[in-house]
Amino acid sequence: DVQMTQSPYNLAASPGESVSINCKASKSISKYLAWYQQKPGKANKLLIYDGSTLQSGIPSRFSGSGSGTDFTLTIRSLEPEDFGLYYCQQHNEYPFTFGSGTKLEIK
Amino acid sequence: QVQLEESGPGLMQPSETLSLTCTVSGFSLTSNGVGWVRQPLGKGLVWMGTIWAGGSTNYNSAVQSRLSISRDTSKSQVFLKMNSLQPEDTGTYYCARPRRGYFDYWGQGVMVTVSS
Repeated sequence: DVQMTQSPYNLAASPGESVSINCKASKSISKYLAWYQQKPGKANKLLIYDGSTLQSGIPSRFSGSGSGTDFTLTIRSLEPEDFGLYYCQQHNEYPFTFGSGTKLEIK
Repeated sequence: QVQLEESGPGLMQPSETLSLTCTVSGFSLTSNGVGWVRQPLGKGLVWMGTIWAGGSTNYNSAVQSRLSISRDTSKSQVFLKMNSLQPEDTGTYYCARPRRGYFDYWGQGVMVTVSS
C-alpha cells in the first residue's frame, strides 16, 4: 500500500496569513493526489484533485502543487472558515490511502 | 443537488454483522459509483471499498474478507455489509461519490460503536 505522510500534524496561524501543508507518498503517485477539508458537523469537502486542479466552487486562495512523491497544499490569506482538519489522499492506485491529517488552528 | 446520506444502527455487538445504507440523490447510480470510507474515533480516514457505475467492486484488502458492497439502483441506495465486527471497527462511516478514485461529494457520516 502507498503510505501517505502528512506534515505538520498541527499548525497554528492567524487570519490573513498563508500556510502550507505537505504530503509525501511512499512511492510515486504521478499527479494523483487530492486534498480535503474536514469540519465538525459538515460533510468533508474536496478542495484539490490531480495534484493541482481546484474543485469547482473552491476559493482560489487554495492551491495545490507537486508530483511524484511530494505535494503541497497552500492556503493564502487565511479566512476564519479555513480552520479545521486537512487530509491528503492518493488516487493513483488501490487501495486509495489518506494521510494522517493536519489540524489548522487559529493562533 | 448531489446528496448522500448514511443510515444504520449506532450500536453493535462484537461478532455481529454491520449493515449500512447510503441513499443518494441528485445523481444516478447507473452512471456513478459510491465508495465507503471510515474514520476510527480520533484517527484518520480509511478507504474501505467502492462500487462503480457498472456494478463492479474494489475493496481494501485490509477488510476484503469481511466486506460486501452492493446496490439497488432503482432505490438509489448502496449497501455496506461487514461481518465479524470487533471494537476496533468503531468509528464514523462515510459514503462518498468517487471520481476516478478521489471523492467529490460526501455524506455527513454515521457513527458506529462496537461494544458488548
